[in-house]
Amino acid sequence: NAGVTQTPKFQVLKTGQSMTLQCAQDMNHEYMSWYRQDPGMGLRLIHYSVGAGITDQGEVPNGYNVSRSTTEDFPLRLLSAAPSQTSVYFCASGGFYGYTFGSGTRLTVV
Amino acid sequence: AQTVTQSQPEMSVQEAETVTLSCTYDTSESDYYLFWYKQPPSRQMILVIRQEAYKQQNATENRFSVNFQKAAKSFSLKISDSQLGDAAMYFCAYRSGLGGSNYKLTFGKGTLLTVNP
Repeated sequence: NAGVTQTPKFQVLKTGQSMTLQCAQDMNHEYMSWYRQDPGMGLRLIHYSVGAGITDQGEVPNGYNVSRSTTEDFPLRLLSAAPSQTSVYFCASGGFYGYTFGSGTRLTVV
Repeated sequence: AQTVTQSQPEMSVQEAETVTLSCTYDTSESDYYLFWYKQPPSRQMILVIRQEAYKQQNATENRFSVNFQKAAKSFSLKISDSQLGDAAMYFCAYRSGLGGSNYKLTFGKGTLLTVNP
């Protein structure tokens, strides 16, 4: 089925560990983005990309890195996890008419 | 920067009744898009309805309709004949009409809708 595949669905990290959240889409969308969702805060944009090789920061980029080597993939890297990064993370791809979201990753940093 | 405000953190409705969720936004642009997303307990984000700012006609999708007031910068969602499956968090979102980096969505903080049997 066409859509956005996001892995893993759940993850527990220790403070200081690193990890990569994977996101892949098969709809040939140029635009991809990462959001974090925290209670009472809605969804806040972390990083986004408008095409392979092009990325930019969103509202809350600190502590996260991204790269876009292909149209299909847009991984999000946590270099040194902190408890403040405990959240639900969503990848989304889309463009002119709408966006498709991945199923989310619940990340807990202890 | 654009902002989206949902002033109702929680709402409840009786099954089969009608409920309206409020959303206001702030922008200096004239061309933009507005969305309502539904997030059930499964946490999947589901597009409910989309409105293009240049269209005067309010968007409708089955039991879901919007009241788009461009001058007032208001974009409310009406759910008619509410069903138990409508219980979810609802997010209002804004996107610029410009291309490229302006494809990013700005979300409100959400309204949690409870449907009572």
